[in-house]
Amino acid sequence: SYDLTQPPSVSVSPGQTASITCSGDQLGDKFVCWYQQKAGQSPVLIIYEDTKRPSGIPERFSGSNSGNTATLTISGTQALDEADYYCQAWDGSTGVFGTGTKVTVL
Amino acid sequence: QVTLKESGPVLVKPTETLTLACTVSGYSLSNRRMGVSWIRQPPGKALEWLAHIFSNDEKSYSASLKSRVTISKDTSKSQVVLTLTNMDPADTATYYCARTSEVISRFFDYWGQGTLVTVSS
Repeated sequence: SYDLTQPPSVSVSPGQTASITCSGDQLGDKFVCWYQQKAGQSPVLIIYEDTKRPSGIPERFSGSNSGNTATLTISGTQALDEADYYCQAWDGSTGVFGTGTKVTVL
Repeated sequence: QVTLKESGPVLVKPTETLTLACTVSGYSLSNRRMGVSWIRQPPGKALEWLAHIFSNDEKSYSASLKSRVTISKDTSKSQVVLTLTNMDPADTATYYCARTSEVISRFFDYWGQGTLVTVSS
């Protein structure tokens, strides 16, 4: 099976940049999505096809993907960005989610 | 306005079969390059993709659950149904349905509110 590995937690100060990695074998050959899930809520799509932001998602969220690692970057992190973040890719026709990263804004 | 809503039992017994329905509105299940996926999340744990079905009736299942899971759709009712057989306490989770859209790749752009299913005798 195909696995996507994320760091369990990332801490960031308000206004600073948070980077969340997602690692998988030859991940750069696949398209990666990122989802934000706040406590008690359903996930929300924030990045699709590596770098694209859906309508309504702030510009401070950006994505990249190369080699074995995809990265979600939150620039100028705000308190409301505190949430769990999941990467996701497709292994053929099978969906795979990352292990999830809890972002804490200190 | 696109919405998805899950419905089904909140409590099932071990060995029973779970049947969940996802009712969509604001778009049609016959729309090209769109489908519905089921995704679950055990309490305090990560998301897990289970299955999807597309407008052309393409279906795909998680390898780890393939022998237990079935997905189907009724376009006239705007419903997608997931069945999971031989339920176990480890299947206790919030089950989400999500619209799956395809541009170059596929992504889950709208999610239901989720329904918590507990497996217990």
